[in-house]
Amino acid sequence: AQKVTQAQTEISVVEKEDVTLDCVYETRDTTYYLFWYKQPPSGELVFLIRRNSFDEQNEISGRYSWNFQKSTSSFNFTITASQVVDSAVYFCALSEVSNDYKLSFGAGTTVTVRA
Amino acid sequence: SQTIHQWPATLVQPVGSPLSLECTVEGTSNPNLYWYRQAAGRGLQLLFYSVGIGQISSEVPQNLSASRPQDRQFILSSKKLLLSDSGFYLCAWSARTGVGNEQYFGPGTRLTVT
Repeated sequence: AQKVTQAQTEISVVEKEDVTLDCVYETRDTTYYLFWYKQPPSGELVFLIRRNSFDEQNEISGRYSWNFQKSTSSFNFTITASQVVDSAVYFCALSEVSNDYKLSFGAGTTVTVRA
Repeated sequence: SQTIHQWPATLVQPVGSPLSLECTVEGTSNPNLYWYRQAAGRGLQLLFYSVGIGQISSEVPQNLSASRPQDRQFILSSKKLLLSDSGFYLCAWSARTGVGNEQYFGPGTRLTVT
């Protein structure tokens, strides 16, 4: 069964628009970790954020913000005032103690920002 | 700071030929190491991971193998490549201490089997 679901396959926006990427996860563990990665066209995955299951505080880093809601098992990612450089594939991932802390990745969401 | 290297960056190999991809990490000791494959337009599949020298765990049965001859070196190999082995191979590391640590990825190797 898919542990991490990224329902949006592709999102296309015009520069300066906000874009929100959805991530829904499934786990029976009480302790787990959630991550977002960015994969630009060059291919290398870039780590963006790590969140543990006990910290539901939302986080903002520049134009990036994350909304973690345990009640809905979601960890959504918003890019504010998108730029062309934000064009990439974004992956959400889950790390569980029951899985030896290995990462379970979602299928990814391709974001295209048009000038 | 830590860096992770992979080579070669691209590789075109005929079916049935051997494979050796190398990954090295600098600036850290005793890392956990991982090999992933990403088929075109798809997500990431964990192939192997290692928590120490000579310790390899395989996630998916296949004709690939991995070895860790040194603490910061991770090698992915095959004796005979299949067309289905084509893909983008990514190496990653994470800190051994603590739990649920983020993984840091290398630049990847694009393998095309013809």
